Amino acid sequence: DTGVSQNPRHKITKRGQNVTFRCDPISEHNRLYWYRQTLGQGPEFLTYFQNEAQLEKSRLLSDRFSAERPKGSFSTLEIQRTEQGDSAMYLCASTPPGSPGVNEQFFGPGTRLTVL
Amino acid sequence: AQKITQTQPGMFVQEKEAVTLDCTYDTSDPSYGLFWYKQPSSGEMIFLIYQGSYDQQNATEGRYSLNFQKARKSANLVISASQLGDSAMYFCAMREISGSSNTGKLIFGQGTTLQVKP
Repeated sequence: DTGVSQNPRHKITKRGQNVTFRCDPISEHNRLYWYRQTLGQGPEFLTYFQNEAQLEKSRLLSDRFSAERPKGSFSTLEIQRTEQGDSAMYLCASTPPGSPGVNEQFFGPGTRLTVL
Repeated sequence: AQKITQTQPGMFVQEKEAVTLDCTYDTSDPSYGLFWYKQPSSGEMIFLIYQGSYDQQNATEGRYSLNFQKARKSANLVISASQLGDSAMYFCAMREISGSSNTGKLIFGQGTTLQVKP
């Protein structure tokens, strides 16, 4: 399977714990995006990487959130001191090199986080 | 600021009939792209169709077509010959192409839930 993969698919944690999600983009896709989707809503942009550089962060990304993309390959999204409001689906997407405007984004299956 | 509006929270359609899902958008950027994605209950986002702001013709992809009315800032999705497998959440999304950041991030609408009746 050469699509975008995300792990874990589901995560249940207690409030106050730290969690980390991983995204493996399609090989050779240099652009990577993280989105958050709450129940019944559309995805909201969190952050963007071009290769290993994090070029944009949404205001939704509080200080408790951090994302990395070492070596421009896989990416991790960490949430520290989780809150119940962090419960959501976290989606990762990637696009190939070239103009980011015209290429579709390929989405992974998402990681569903439940904070108890 | 960019904004996507989908005013239909839920829609029903009879199998084999056509259905139109509404989408309006707002942007000050002259160059942008419009996308439709399908999200089944399993959660993955499936790309359906793309329309560029300078495209002269409406986009079509199999049973999907995009009714693009630039002056009205609308980009409605038309699904012809609905199938039971079309039951899902549908999202309209926009991407500015010539903005200063040009990161390619997508702005999504709230989505429309489509149920196809047998």
